[in-house]
Amino acid sequence: DAKTTQPTSMDCAEGRAANLPCNHSTISGNEYVYWYRQIHSQGPQYIIHGLKNNETNEMASLIITEDRKSSTLILPHATLRDTAVYYCIVRVALGATNKLIFGTGTLLAVQP
Amino acid sequence: GAGVSQSPSNKVTEKGKDVELRCDPISGHTALYWYRQSLGQGLEFLIYFQGNSAPDKSGLPSDRFSAERTGGSVSTLTIQRTQQEDSAVYLCASAFGHEQYFGPGTRLTVT
Repeated sequence: DAKTTQPTSMDCAEGRAANLPCNHSTISGNEYVYWYRQIHSQGPQYIIHGLKNNETNEMASLIITEDRKSSTLILPHATLRDTAVYYCIVRVALGATNKLIFGTGTLLAVQP
Repeated sequence: GAGVSQSPSNKVTEKGKDVELRCDPISGHTALYWYRQSLGQGLEFLIYFQGNSAPDKSGLPSDRFSAERTGGSVSTLTIQRTQQEDSAVYLCASAFGHEQYFGPGTRLTVT
């Protein structure tokens, strides 16, 4: 699975959009981009995933560049409860092992 | 509906003792994973079960670690002769399709 690079930390004002970048320059054609987050002392929580097209759900939007070498997770109206570590993960969706390889993620701190 | 549950939530054990950690996945989920997270670290994959296939044990750190999944449902992670470096939060996840659902974890402390 391809590796990802994320900033260590980011701040965002409450009510503003949080834009979390991720670089995955070695991504393969059959690899998806997944985002999970981990709120302090809880298990990780799935947010969204995508292959080529931009995706949106009730939690967030995922914007993937045309060359697929990077992506951005957008939380449109961040709240204090969105403070968490956000993990960008690249993997083959239904390969022999669907394990998630977590990097160090981005600590998003939403400020009041 | 019910999510992934794990027990116990906390376990303190003495070095050298064996421990068993339990995971109850979401009903109908065919895939089950174990990860561990040491203090301040990211998640580390341990083992993966998919249906009746042989498990992927490639992440188990030593032969003191083993896991089984009975009847395609409940899973038990066993750590024999625990060491202090085994102290971590052990997380279980189940999946059906793209999304993995994580339990709250078991915090293991080896004294």
